[in-house]
Amino acid sequence: EDQVTQSPEALRLQEGESSSLNCSYTVSGLRGLFWYRQDPGKGPEFLFTLYSAGEEKEKERLKATLTKKESFLHITAPKPEDSATYLCAVHPSTDKLIFGTGTRLQVFP
Amino acid sequence: KAGVTQTPRYLIKTRGQQVTLSCSPISGHRSVSWYQQTPGQGLQFLFEYFSETQRNKGNFPGRFSGRQFSNSRSEMNVSTLELGDSALYLCASSPDRITEAFFGQGTRLTVV
Repeated sequence: EDQVTQSPEALRLQEGESSSLNCSYTVSGLRGLFWYRQDPGKGPEFLFTLYSAGEEKEKERLKATLTKKESFLHITAPKPEDSATYLCAVHPSTDKLIFGTGTRLQVFP
Repeated sequence: KAGVTQTPRYLIKTRGQQVTLSCSPISGHRSVSWYQQTPGQGLQFLFEYFSETQRNKGNFPGRFSGRQFSNSRSEMNVSTLELGDSALYLCASSPDRITEAFFGQGTRLTVV
């Protein structure tokens, strides 16, 4: 069965304290992996797409990487405005996008 | 470029009623997908439409239905509402079938 697991569920960081969020997946025929950011009461905001193992994408303080079994979202020197829930989703061969339950990130000044 | 627009933003309905939610995708996007988001279950895939045809459906009862019009706008309908249908309903559009999907702000449905 296709499955996506994100860890940790919640993460509290001091401003400037770098860390990583994990997304592990078990899917039949990965066609793409997506990272989104979601603020309370809003729709998810697209961040990155990764298609193959070894691929990396960067945007400001965020960097996403992909292996054959998991993806990491690295946050370097986070700021309070980076506080949000980060969602990982995979696009398997069934074409039904599957989301993880997210990591709730809080960054304190 | 305008984003994905969902209307209404908030709805309160009574058990047993039905509801229709609307989604206008980004101009030029032909694929529209719908999701239900609840605190306990996270984001759950409802269905996907492409060129007015339903291409995929999630594991939801038949009370949940949708359609897509020739201008790519989409509606979803929930009949015989239950308390458990209370959720944030999100619409996402993409140029082709499930590439990078861009989400609207959602419709918050409360069933009382």
